[in-house]
Amino acid sequence: GENVEQHPSTLSVQEGDSAVIKCTYSDSASNYFPWYKQELGKRPQLIIDIRSNVGEKKDQRIAVTLNKTAKHFSLHITETQPEDSAVYFCAASITGNQFYFGTGTSLTVIP
Amino acid sequence: SAVISQKPSRDICQRGTSLTIQCQVDSQVTMMFWYRQQPGQSLTLIATANQGSEATYESGFVIDKFPISRPNLTFSTLTVSNMSPEDSSIYLCSVSKTSSTDTQYFGPGTRLTVL
Repeated sequence: GENVEQHPSTLSVQEGDSAVIKCTYSDSASNYFPWYKQELGKRPQLIIDIRSNVGEKKDQRIAVTLNKTAKHFSLHITETQPEDSAVYFCAASITGNQFYFGTGTSLTVIP
Repeated sequence: SAVISQKPSRDICQRGTSLTIQCQVDSQVTMMFWYRQQPGQSLTLIATANQGSEATYESGFVIDKFPISRPNLTFSTLTVSNMSPEDSSIYLCSVSKTSSTDTQYFGPGTRLTVL
């Protein structure tokens, strides 16, 4: 089955700096890659996703890049704010099938 | 996105007992899933709840321990049976509108503590 690795496990950045979280996957058939943000005590919330037919997607301060050849994808958050502090999970799946989640990255934005 | 609710939001139970968690969606969805999230950990899929047929369980999870019902396209239940302290966790349902729509949305979760 699919194996998703996520790095780093913890990340601290100064407010206003950028944060990058990286994930690798093993199954070349995976074609959908969502990112979820989970604040303490809350449910995971989808923040951005990308499908395998594109290499990059942006939504305001958040972007995701996908390298299908290398089988890795990354989340980029620019101009970080304290409210970006949360645990972020990547996932990989094949359409219509289960999600395989990464182990999570705890992001702390220092004011 | 769908509006998803779960009941109860939290519970404290004695070992050996069972708890049934409900997941309600405000619109019909094709796919419903049940996850477990242990403290500080990632999300682990327990099973896919299939409407009108038996749930599909992931490796390490069995129907006798985690029976699941899916009577219609907006509702599902997960029962945690014969609980032990190791079952203490957050249980989340998630939904996907159609089998070809990848996006999953999560319910608020049920925080279970087993004493």
